[in-house]
Amino acid sequence: DIVMTQSPDSLAVSLGERATIDCKSSRSVLYSSNNKNYLAWYQQKPGQPPKLLIYWASTRESGVPDRFSGSGSGTDFTLTISSLQAEDVAVYYCQQYYTTPEYSFGQGTKLEIK
Amino acid sequence: QLQLQESGPGLVKPSETLSLTCTVSGGSISSSPYYWGWIRQPPGKGLEWIGYIYYTGSAHYNPSLKSRVTISVDTSKNQFSLKLSSVTAADTAVYYCARTYCSGGSCYDFFEYWGQGTLVTVSS
Repeated sequence: DIVMTQSPDSLAVSLGERATIDCKSSRSVLYSSNNKNYLAWYQQKPGQPPKLLIYWASTRESGVPDRFSGSGSGTDFTLTISSLQAEDVAVYYCQQYYTTPEYSFGQGTKLEIK
Repeated sequence: QLQLQESGPGLVKPSETLSLTCTVSGGSISSSPYYWGWIRQPPGKGLEWIGYIYYTGSAHYNPSLKSRVTISVDTSKNQFSLKLSSVTAADTAVYYCARTYCSGGSCYDFFEYWGQGTLVTVSS
């Protein structure tokens, strides 16, 4: 099994400031044949289903604001919100889709306004 | 726009079988090459992938749940279903149905479309 560990568990950032969330996998999710990292990020607001933000570690889903960006490779990944808006308050999850069929999620990071 | 909607009992007794259905609208469940999946989230906790199915009936399950899970598809109703047997309080969760992402004829195992979720409580 690949274990996904996010840090921190919770985070408070001022409006307009940068927020960064880390996700570490217990082994590499980089597929050598296509040089792609099998890592996605989701945003979940209270009472709503998760929303896909980023896949292939750094590709934004259509319609996602460009203040959201993903980076990293292999085992270490980061989700960055460049300028926090009030509507970004949510829990964020990473998910690896490298191993079939054990697709594991991180435990989640709760993002709040400071 | 594709929409998914979960339905089923909100309360299940311990040791019984949890049964949920996901109805797909705005698209055909037989559209190749998508996979249709179930994910659950215990109250206040994180996400757990349960399994998914292709319209042909080929299914894949989380090994930790495999002995208790069956996912099936009914293309005539544009629905797919989840059955989880021998439930306990630990199976209390919001259950989501979802569709995988596909591009250029290939599918990848993350979820692009989600239902709103349905809370299932296991209690006597």
